[in-house]
Amino acid sequence: GENVEQHPSTLSVQEGDSAVIKCTYSDSASNYFPWYKQELGKGPQLIIDIRSNVGEKKDQRIAVTLNKTAKHFSLHITETQPEDSAVYFCAASKYNFNKFYFGSGTKLNVKP
Amino acid sequence: DTEVTQTPKHLVMGMTNKKSLKCEQHMGHRAMYWYKQKAKKPPELMFVYSYEKLSINESVPSRFSPECPNSSLLNLHLHALQPEDSALYLCASSQVSGRSTGELFFGEGSRLTVL
Repeated sequence: GENVEQHPSTLSVQEGDSAVIKCTYSDSASNYFPWYKQELGKGPQLIIDIRSNVGEKKDQRIAVTLNKTAKHFSLHITETQPEDSAVYFCAASKYNFNKFYFGSGTKLNVKP
Repeated sequence: DTEVTQTPKHLVMGMTNKKSLKCEQHMGHRAMYWYKQKAKKPPELMFVYSYEKLSINESVPSRFSPECPNSSLLNLHLHALQPEDSALYLCASSQVSGRSTGELFFGEGSRLTVL
């Protein structure tokens, strides 16, 4: 099966700095890579995703990049704000296969 | 409306009780999921229903019994649980497409405590 590894497990940045979270996956058939933000006591919220036919996707301060050859994808958050503090999970899934493999999570702390 | 609604938000039950968790979505999604999440861990898949039929059971103990009465509703029936079953139970839904994997939307979860 698929194995998704996520680094770092914790990340502290100063407000206004950038944050980068990286994930690797093992199954070359995986073709959909979502990122979730989970605030304390809440369910995971989809913040951005990327499919294997695209190398990069951006939504305001958030971007995701995908390197299919190296089998890794990254989340980039620019101009971080205290409200970005949360746990972020990456995930991978295959074509029309209702199973999502999650990374272990990154706790992001944005210091004011 | 991109919302998955779960009830109750909190549930405390004894090991001999029978209770149910409920989930509802009105996005027209035909795949619905139950995940279990322990503190500081990623969501762990339990069950997947596709077109109201159970398509994935991740070897979950029989004290957890899922039910999908229709395309909008998903239940998780709980019986004779153990304290280690205490966790956040998340419902999710996604489209089922012949072309690509659908986006997965989560509810806010039901926090279960087993005494």
